[in-house]
Amino acid sequence: GAVVSQHPSRVICKSGTSVKIECRSLDFQATTMFWYRQFPKQSLMLMATSNEGSKATYEQGVEKDKFLINHASLTLSTLTVTSAHPEDSSFYICSARWTGEGEAFFGQGTRLTVV
Amino acid sequence: GQQLNQSPQSMFIQEGEDVSMNCTSSSIFNTWLWYKQDPGEGPVLLIALYKAGELTSNGRLTAQFGITRKDSFLNISASIPSDVGIYFCAGQRTSGSRLTFGEGTQLTVNP
Repeated sequence: GAVVSQHPSRVICKSGTSVKIECRSLDFQATTMFWYRQFPKQSLMLMATSNEGSKATYEQGVEKDKFLINHASLTLSTLTVTSAHPEDSSFYICSARWTGEGEAFFGQGTRLTVV
Repeated sequence: GQQLNQSPQSMFIQEGEDVSMNCTSSSIFNTWLWYKQDPGEGPVLLIALYKAGELTSNGRLTAQFGITRKDSFLNISASIPSDVGIYFCAGQRTSGSRLTFGEGTQLTVNP
């Protein structure tokens, strides 16, 4: 299957600082990338969808000024959590797809802890 | 919010037993996907289904796309300890649309 690499896998930051998470498709060009948030023992919650070269589409209730998404190339999307607070602590996962249909491949996830 | 009903929520089985889990929806999906997630990792794609009635295998795993296009099941035969994890179904309504995930099935395999 296709490989999606997410970095970092774990990050601890202080309240008020910003954190950037990278998502790269290593062996294919990703027309669309997705960012999810997952709480313990729960399913994946879609935060936003991004297409290369255009603005991300955010799900209802997700603050676009807080969770900045950039999809500058067909192989890289970034999620920046700005002015992080402890309640932003969570597991963030990206996925990438190269066609409109079906299969989306996930990164390894990033465990964010805000102290 | 979630629109896929996945069951069971959890299963505790003995090594060697077969496992079955399913997802149902009130609306039609054109694609069904099954993923497995290990603790602290992202989901890994197990099987993708694209046609109603399709039955696809991947080793000891078998999944079917329901004829009504509103359900799918995943079977695991002869379970082994490394099958432990959370299994998610996901559906896609139309080409290019987002995935909708089930709530997950937590599988525990006792040696």
